[in-house]
Amino acid sequence: DVKVTQSSRYLVKRTGEKVFLECVQDMDHENMFWYRQDPGLGLRLIYFSYDVKMKEKGDIPEGYSVSREKKERFSLILESASTNQTSMYLCASSWGTGGNQPQHFGDGTRLSIL
Amino acid sequence: GENVEQHPSTLSVQEGDSAVIKCTYSDSASNYFPWYKQELGKGPQLIIDIRSNVGEKKDQRIAVTLNKTAKHFSLHITETQPEDSAVYFCAASQDNNDMRFGAGTRLTVKP
Repeated sequence: DVKVTQSSRYLVKRTGEKVFLECVQDMDHENMFWYRQDPGLGLRLIYFSYDVKMKEKGDIPEGYSVSREKKERFSLILESASTNQTSMYLCASSWGTGGNQPQHFGDGTRLSIL
Repeated sequence: GENVEQHPSTLSVQEGDSAVIKCTYSDSASNYFPWYKQELGKGPQLIIDIRSNVGEKKDQRIAVTLNKTAKHFSLHITETQPEDSAVYFCAASQDNNDMRFGAGTRLTVKP
């Protein structure tokens, strides 16, 4: 089974802090994704990566950056956290070849910015 | 870009009844339609998916139907059980890096 592991289940940070959310997958997937999940809005894509050191903006990249130095690890960075970034963050991964492939999700990080 | 709408936002059924969740999509180029189940405190888990060359797919008590002409697809759960209670998300995708999700349906199955 695919395992996507997010390093923290709950995180509380202060406004203005630099915040790192980490995600690791064990299936050698090419693609990795960061979403944010808010009630009534579904999942919105922040950034994705289709290869090491490659990244593409999603629908809501403002205030975020990402890093993919190794194939199995994809980090989301909040450069200067703000209260409107309080949310559930979900990481996912998928195969990069063979047409559309399902995404496999971690259990999420619930981030609170005070 | 693609827009996916999902209805209803909440659904309550009696144990043993059927549940139907419907989604519409806007981009006729979308060709892959997965459904995810998210239980409390967990990430979304894939439960069934369908590709555009197929009209219906079944897996035990769950089935998905796709109408490409009308651009809508539906999830059907028969003989519902309390453990089916969760939030369900539909999604549509035309390539590997552009999956769009519906807003979710909270299903409650009452014993």
